[in-house]
Amino acid sequence: GAGVSQSPRYKVAKRGQDVALRCDPISGHVSLFWYQQALGQGPEFLTYFQNEAQLDKSGLPSDRFFAERPEGSVSTLKIQRTQQEDSAVYLCASSPGLAPTDTQYFGPGTRLTVL
Amino acid sequence: AQSVTQLGSHVSVSEGALVLLRCNYSSSVPPYLFWYVQYPNQGLQLLLKYTSAATLVKGINGFEAEFKKSETSFHLTKPSAHMSDAAEYFCAGSVSTGANSKLTFGKGITLSVRP
Repeated sequence: GAGVSQSPRYKVAKRGQDVALRCDPISGHVSLFWYQQALGQGPEFLTYFQNEAQLDKSGLPSDRFFAERPEGSVSTLKIQRTQQEDSAVYLCASSPGLAPTDTQYFGPGTRLTVL
Repeated sequence: AQSVTQLGSHVSVSEGALVLLRCNYSSSVPPYLFWYVQYPNQGLQLLLKYTSAATLVKGINGFEAEFKKSETSFHLTKPSAHMSDAAEYFCAGSVSTGANSKLTFGKGITLSVRP
């Protein structure tokens, strides 16, 4: 079956532009996570959805970052007024349930470069 | 709070040699631990996970890891390296803290395999 997909795969933005990154999770997966992976680093948690409810946004670095999952499936991560420090790979992951032992299935990521 | 430490950033082995990638964790509660592999331009793929059912965990592609509480470690091993094992490897942990099972990742280790 289809895995987690993300679009676009690559995004170049000028500083100050707004960007929107899309995640299509595996169908039926309840949990959806966004992570940010800086160059040479491990992924860092940004935010978590259980169905359409955003239960944890403690990892969002500033109020320029906003995420939504309005119908409990597709999710969008929006970054307003992009800065150079926002350059990173943004990873989306979904898992079937709520348990901490559930496997998270990752998409290929969106590489954002802010010039 | 939980943290995951992967010592070193790069490991190089000869084809056919033992692979040993180290991971240590610190946590106030027993964690669940995961090893993921990332190939270039691909998403993270689960190799194996520790869910407290058994301390020795076998994963895909001949990898295994042993959870040692006394050493707070979860090192990844493979008896004989193959060229196709060259990739980046991430250790990650999660704890049961209610509704959010976010992963905390180490910085990752790049594995090179020499012919």
